[in-house]
Amino acid sequence: EVQLVESGGGLVQPGRSLRLSCAASAFTFEDYAMHWVRQAPGKGLEWVSGISWDSDRIDYADSVRGRFTISRDNAKNSLFLQMNSLRPEDTALYYCANWDYAGGFDIWGQGTMVIVSS
Amino acid sequence: AIQMTQSPSSLSASVGDRVTITCRASQDIRNDLGWYQQKPGKAPNLLIYTASNLQSGVPSRFSGSGSGTDFTLTINSLQPEDLATYYCLQHYNYSWTFGQGTKVEIK
Repeated sequence: EVQLVESGGGLVQPGRSLRLSCAASAFTFEDYAMHWVRQAPGKGLEWVSGISWDSDRIDYADSVRGRFTISRDNAKNSLFLQMNSLRPEDTALYYCANWDYAGGFDIWGQGTMVIVSS
Repeated sequence: AIQMTQSPSSLSASVGDRVTITCRASQDIRNDLGWYQQKPGKAPNLLIYTASNLQSGVPSRFSGSGSGTDFTLTINSLQPEDLATYYCLQHYNYSWTFGQGTKVEIK
């Protein structure tokens, strides 16, 4: 079954760090750009970051640039998001998703919850 | 940054109705727009890509149109299972922005 599974979320104090992971299975992970999208409780979707198949191009939302770092390991079919200097407004469900060639987020994980609170 | 203005924020319609949701981009994005459906407690699901192309497996009552700055998602003959929040997403020139979402309720 084609799937993405996120992990690494949890409760963290403001200013601390957290690293999210996304494990891909049953599709050719290395062929696809991958992204992180988040959703604060009761709010809409917010694009966070994306990385090309070969890690050559990386993009970030203004809200996380300089604090978050996206990376991938194609040999391990894995995507990562290193989140530093976390703020309460980073509290959200974080999804990973692949970017299909036709132009859309085709496969989504179930999300991992990050809560930033003292 | 490209802004997406989606309307309405919510609507209530009866089974069998035609429903229209619009998104307006703050600049020309050609046809670099998709539509997503998010049911309560679930991850989003791609409905339409590049403005008007129906994703495989999506019912044909969903359709998309538009280009440039103005886009529309239409649900013909609304069904009970269409209860969800719908989002547009622009992806022009290596930037991605979601609309604010439209919550669709069934009367």
